[in-house]
Amino acid sequence: SQQGEEDPQALSIQEGENATMNCSYKTSINNLQWYRQNSGRGLVHLILIRSNEREKHSGRLRVTLDTSKKSSSLLITASRAADTASYFCATKQGAQKLVFGQGTRLTINP
Amino acid sequence: KAGVTQTPRYLIKTRGQQVTLSCSPISGHRSVSWYQQTPGQGLQFLFEYFSETQRNKGNFPGRFSGRQFSNSRSEMNVSTLELGDSALYLCASSLGQAAYEQYFGPGTRLTVT
Repeated sequence: SQQGEEDPQALSIQEGENATMNCSYKTSINNLQWYRQNSGRGLVHLILIRSNEREKHSGRLRVTLDTSKKSSSLLITASRAADTASYFCATKQGAQKLVFGQGTRLTINP
Repeated sequence: KAGVTQTPRYLIKTRGQQVTLSCSPISGHRSVSWYQQTPGQGLQFLFEYFSETQRNKGNFPGRFSGRQFSNSRSEMNVSTLELGDSALYLCASSLGQAAYEQYFGPGTRLTVT
């Protein structure tokens, strides 16, 4: 079964608004990563947060990690039409494989 | 540096045939992972290779196999194709175990009829 589960499955907002996506996982992890996928294409790595970090920023992206709740959130501020994509969280445990969630489909309306 | 390349980009096969997909990682990357993506099952891990050795394997039948060459290029093979094998097959490379970020190729869209 998937390690990470994103919530919501789909999100539709107006351009300029903020978008928040959540990810929950089941076991202890070394790090959690977020990826973006434009329709039918490869994934693009967005940000990695290690288990000993609580928050990380990259441009308009803000990621938080709560290891006690086994959850993470991805915030995209001041959304743009180009942010329309699917967003996946992925968790890695030691040398084990990277496990992806089902993804959140984000639509930015002009 | 050039990104991860996958060939072919699109493929149509019939049931029972076999297929080989190719992946060239970013120069200097020694780890290659393969994923299958379908609308129903999402992104599922197939296998990971590092320095020509399979390091991890997902829960797929033995019809799915792979290998990595000394130049880090990787191939995956699917034999006796089934309709359910229709999917986007993604390859990703990374520097290795110590470098966690994975860089994905554009994928190979396989359609089995």
